[in-house]
Amino acid sequence: NAGVTQTPKFQVLKTGQSMTLQCAQDMNHNSMYWYRQDPGMGLRLIYYSASEGTTDKGEVPNGYNVSRLNKREFSLRLESAAPSQTSVYFCASSELPPGSNNEQFFGPGTRLTVL
Amino acid sequence: DQQVKQNSPSLSVQEGRISILNCDYTNSMFDYFLWYKKYPAEGPTFLISISSIKDKNEDGRFTVFLNKSAKHLSLHIVPSQPGDSAVYFCAASLIQGAQKLVFGQGTRLTINP
Repeated sequence: NAGVTQTPKFQVLKTGQSMTLQCAQDMNHNSMYWYRQDPGMGLRLIYYSASEGTTDKGEVPNGYNVSRLNKREFSLRLESAAPSQTSVYFCASSELPPGSNNEQFFGPGTRLTVL
Repeated sequence: DQQVKQNSPSLSVQEGRISILNCDYTNSMFDYFLWYKKYPAEGPTFLISISSIKDKNEDGRFTVFLNKSAKHLSLHIVPSQPGDSAVYFCAASLIQGAQKLVFGQGTRLTINP
């Protein structure tokens, strides 16, 4: 099992460009999440999907859109990238109802720089 | 408004000694608390969790303590090993349809030989 995979690993964009970050999980989890990690801020939830066909805003959704393509895949789109979106982006998944440890499983991250 | 806080950005501990990482929270509705460990250029990995109905959970060298009245939790690592050097994130969980995690800022733990 690969767990949670993310593509690309690195990306450099110019202000105003668009891109989609891809995430897939092979653990048959119902819920999927997108976080961003910034220095001194921890991880902050951007969007989440409780189950296939549903998506909801998290703490910092502005400037992003998401698509839950199917149970395995959850993509994050930046329509018009801004320097403030320079960050490391993590995708995660979890069981619903939660498993015994209530844990989320994280991908390796995408490091995005917006110039 | 930071609901989960880790007030120590870094901690340095001698190999073999105890490492104690602290975390405070403000929302009494949180029902689960988790610790994640993160190495550079990798995603966070789950370490240990505790339900809000318990005050202690142990897993090998790792123990998490929860003090609900003080809204405080701590992670104890005994004995500390060089491989424990990483950034540790405290997270609090709300189950509302999906599980929403609120993370602290992280503490960088360095274990010195």
